[in-house]
Amino acid sequence: GENVEQHPSTLSVQEGDSAVIKCTYSDSASNYFPWYKQELGKRPQLIIDIRSNVGEKKDQRIAVTLNKTAKHFSLHITETQPEDSAVYFCAASSGAGSYQLTFGKGTKLSVIP
Amino acid sequence: DVKVTQSSRYLVKRTGEKVFLECVQDMDHENMFWYRQDPGLGLRLIYFSYDVKMKEKGDIPEGYSVSREKKERFSLILESASTNQTSMYLCASSPQGGIRMNTEAFFGQGTRLTVV
Repeated sequence: GENVEQHPSTLSVQEGDSAVIKCTYSDSASNYFPWYKQELGKRPQLIIDIRSNVGEKKDQRIAVTLNKTAKHFSLHITETQPEDSAVYFCAASSGAGSYQLTFGKGTKLSVIP
Repeated sequence: DVKVTQSSRYLVKRTGEKVFLECVQDMDHENMFWYRQDPGLGLRLIYFSYDVKMKEKGDIPEGYSVSREKKERFSLILESASTNQTSMYLCASSPQGGIRMNTEAFFGQGTRLTVV
């Protein structure tokens, strides 16, 4: 089955700096890579996703890059703000009738004002 | 607005009890999932269902079963609760999106289960 590794497990940045979270996956058939944000005490919510036919996707301060050859993808947050503090999860799924999302273990991001 | 509702936020049960966790979604989604969330382990899939009366094992199905009698409802059953099943349980749903097309999963608010 799929295995997703996520690094780092914790990340502290100063407000205004950038944050990068990296994930690797094992199943070369995976073709869908979402990122979820979970604020303290709340449910995970999708913030951005990318499919395997795209190398990069951007949404305001958030971007995701995908390298299919190396089987890794990354989340980039620029100009971080205190409200970006949360746990971020990456995930991978192979589609083609398989709806199973495999998640990484999460990264706790702290943005220091 | 998609709503995925879990029947309880907090639950305390005794070892050996049969426990039912209920999840209801109101967006006519085909797929429903049960995850457990533990510190340092992320979200691990217990079971999922892509249609009524259909179920598939996830990564950690041991000690659990599920039921999906209606499209909107997906129940997780702990046949005989044990202390190592103390955890946060998250339900999620997603639309089918067609073959080769995964789509966003919407999560419930979670049920924190403590087995004593």
